[in-house]
Amino acid sequence: DTEVTQTPKHLVMGMTNKKSLKCEQHMGHRAMYWYKQKAKKPPELMFVYSYEKLSINESVPSRFSPECPNSSLLNLHLHALQPEDSALYLCASSRGTGGRETQYFGPGTRLLVL
Amino acid sequence: GENVEQHPSTLSVQEGDSAVIKCTYSDSASNYFPWYKQELGKRPQLIIDIRSNVGEKKDQRIAVTLNKTAKHFSLHITETQPEDSAVYFCAATELNTGTASKLTFGTGTRLQVTL
Repeated sequence: DTEVTQTPKHLVMGMTNKKSLKCEQHMGHRAMYWYKQKAKKPPELMFVYSYEKLSINESVPSRFSPECPNSSLLNLHLHALQPEDSALYLCASSRGTGGRETQYFGPGTRLLVL
Repeated sequence: GENVEQHPSTLSVQEGDSAVIKCTYSDSASNYFPWYKQELGKRPQLIIDIRSNVGEKKDQRIAVTLNKTAKHFSLHITETQPEDSAVYFCAATELNTGTASKLTFGTGTRLQVTL
């Protein structure tokens, strides 16, 4: 399996809702990433997990809460989001054995916050 | 941190012509430079990458060149086809952080190949 999968594909939520995004890979990769991408912009790094430990948090607001339950799964818990958080949320993974590595992206979850 | 600039922001070429996209980076320690293609509504997909120990890499119609001294790298697409139409992002890694790589993306180039 050489793919990163993400669920759901689309999500609409109100500002008081709590929801979660899910990412899964079975390539044995040990590094996993969350990116946020606004229209016509490049992906913007949010979090990096390395060997199931959070290694980078790019000063993301606490209303976004990542979780890595095991080496194949990555979740992003959402709570009290704002309309400006509407975006495409991309998950990616890489082998995690050092730099100069290819990151493989999932198809993304398109989030709309009302 | 790393800063990657990308030009042009839009590029229109006729089918069969070549397309060139250029990027510059700021951190001389960056050592890995991938290029991603993103079609509308789709995920970014790696099309080619280059590591700092080589100056050029080619894969069929796509080639990438790297000039470490000048800190710039370029994507070359020859014999363009309509299916090459997409947004292309260059990227560069910063120094390793533990075992994970941190990519910094350029701002993207929207390539349109016209018939």
